[in-house]
Amino acid sequence: RKEVEQDPGPFNVPEGATVAFNCTYSNSASQSFFWYRQDCRKEPKLLMSVYSSGNEDGRFTAQLNRASQYISLLIRDSKLSDSATYLCVVRRSNDYKLSFGAGTTVTVRA
Amino acid sequence: SAVISQKPSRDICQRGTSLTIQCQVDSQVTMMFWYRQQPGQSLTLIATANQGSEATYESGFVIDKFPISRPNLTFSTLTVSNMSPEDSSIYLCSVELREGQPQHFGDGTRLSIL
Repeated sequence: RKEVEQDPGPFNVPEGATVAFNCTYSNSASQSFFWYRQDCRKEPKLLMSVYSSGNEDGRFTAQLNRASQYISLLIRDSKLSDSATYLCVVRRSNDYKLSFGAGTTVTVRA
Repeated sequence: SAVISQKPSRDICQRGTSLTIQCQVDSQVTMMFWYRQQPGQSLTLIATANQGSEATYESGFVIDKFPISRPNLTFSTLTVSNMSPEDSSIYLCSVELREGQPQHFGDGTRLSIL
């Protein structure tokens, strides 16, 4: 079983729509969680860290459910520029290493 | 954050040759990492580049194939040796500015082997 699993999508949504997707992780001792964004043929860029209480950054909301071992990302009022692959990233508790999901592709259409 | 530069940004190489990729950071960092991202896949950690000691390699990656240097706290190199078409990939370096903080990535090196 992979350490981090994501629905690959693609999620095709119109501008202004809300889109949400999840990521599950297998190691219950995982400590830190992040969402990264990766545009086509570019490097991953940190979108937001995910905190236990959930957190919001503008149109983006991240939630963590430790009991069920999943993380979610919600994008409100989608923009064309939100089209990208979103990577779920988990840091193990016993070291600094990161485990990456394969990514969820979102395409926002006009 | 930090400015992380990789060179070259892309290259096309012949089978059997070797290429060294450089990663330069504009601030001193303890932890530097090298990843590979094969087409259509997510990132896989190759090794952790430690300053003053040998790199720590992940399962499936060996020093003879991917030698790494870390001469100081702002610079590292990854060499892809004796390349084959299976090594065609994006190679990324990343840094952790402070312990426990998210990693930040260089702009990547796109490598194609003919």
